[in-house]
Amino acid sequence: AQSVTQLGSHVSVSEGALVLLRCNYSSSVPPYLFWYVQYPNQGLQLLLKYTSAATLVKGINGFEAEFKKSETSFHLTKPSAHMSDAAEYFCAVSVGTGRRALTFGSGTRLQVQP
Amino acid sequence: ETGVTQSPTHLIKTRGQQVTLRCSSQSGHNTVSWYQQALGQGPQFIFQYYREEENGRGNFPPRFSGLQFPNYSSELNVNALELDDSALYLCASRPGLATGDYTGELFFGEGSRLTVL
Repeated sequence: AQSVTQLGSHVSVSEGALVLLRCNYSSSVPPYLFWYVQYPNQGLQLLLKYTSAATLVKGINGFEAEFKKSETSFHLTKPSAHMSDAAEYFCAVSVGTGRRALTFGSGTRLQVQP
Repeated sequence: ETGVTQSPTHLIKTRGQQVTLRCSSQSGHNTVSWYQQALGQGPQFIFQYYREEENGRGNFPPRFSGLQFPNYSSELNVNALELDDSALYLCASRPGLATGDYTGELFFGEGSRLTVL
């Protein structure tokens, strides 16, 4: 079975600082990997995805992530944080025939200090 | 293009009651799945529907059931509500694998927040 671990339930950065949100996965087969963002009282919005093409993936709002098979990681980064980036971020994995379900991590709440 | 819509947005029930949540999939999507997101946690997969049949299920008891209709909309039914059923219920849709349009991600609605007292 696959699983996702997000290190750090809360991350706080200053506006303009680097954002690094960590995600490690466990899967016995090649995974698809995703980062979703959730703003308060809203659903999930896709930031970016890895589906076995380029290992460095660029997403919306200046975010990017790098798939590292040797480290089983898919960390999310953004060079310069903006106040509007404050939200909950979820890493997710899907595997197997049909990729029927996403397995989510427990989430990381990003706070951006002025 | 209309996104995933869910209703109701909020509802309150008492323990033992039954609830039905509704979801309209995004235009062109024939596969619908439901997730439960408890407070402070990531979403957990409940089940998926394709061609009006359940074709994948997570670790949820049978009192969680669903339907998919010919227009691809879906319902989630929960019987004998328990306090722990209080959560945000998210519906997600995607194109079917056979369409060639599937690119891996799910498209989520804004959820129905259920409170069980």
